[in-house]
Amino acid sequence: DTAVSQTPKYLVTQMGNDKSIKCEQNLGHDTMYWYKQDSKKFLKIMFSYNNKELIINETVPNRFSPKSPDKAHLNLHINSLELGDSAVYFCASSLDTEAFFGQGTRLTVV
Amino acid sequence: KQEVTQIPAALSVPEGENLVLNCSFTDSAIYNLQWFRQDPGKGLTSLLLIQSSQREQTSGRLNASLDKSSGRSTLYIAASQPGDSATYLCAVSNSGNTPLVFGKGTRLSVIA
Repeated sequence: DTAVSQTPKYLVTQMGNDKSIKCEQNLGHDTMYWYKQDSKKFLKIMFSYNNKELIINETVPNRFSPKSPDKAHLNLHINSLELGDSAVYFCASSLDTEAFFGQGTRLTVV
Repeated sequence: KQEVTQIPAALSVPEGENLVLNCSFTDSAIYNLQWFRQDPGKGLTSLLLIQSSQREQTSGRLNASLDKSSGRSTLYIAASQPGDSATYLCAVSNSGNTPLVFGKGTRLSVIA
């Protein structure tokens, strides 16, 4: 059973399009996150949600809009995609201590 | 603002060697520290979690230590194998359920 699952795994799209990445966790955690790993492999936090409430938004452009319909899901919607959005996006979850990560979504904007 | 540094950025060793990866952080008031492994094109696998009250954790050939006061952690890998080749990431959180701050990783190659 996959603890944190993301779909799709790969996403290739044209500039200007709108796309969504879905994330689900079956660990019963109450906090979920989105991280971005850039071309230099550096991981940085984008958003943090606790019990469906936005806790942290790390100066991410408002073209990125996370949505948490329930504690087990945190989806990421991106409007008007730009070339610079190309990266690997990781979803994660935690319950006070250890964080668990999904397998990542490699987004390529052409 | 918490910053995490990992040294070296890359390391190549022959199979069978014991090795140490280093991680340092600027704010010693951490809640916990995690070591992850990332294989090329893959996700992050949690290796070891050290709570702020702990000094070390062990799992198989891996041993992670934590010295909060000096802002340092080390990951010791015994008897390295080619299958250990990956990027190793160190990350800290400053309180429960807060995002991890990552280092840039150490890319390890173990040569058969």
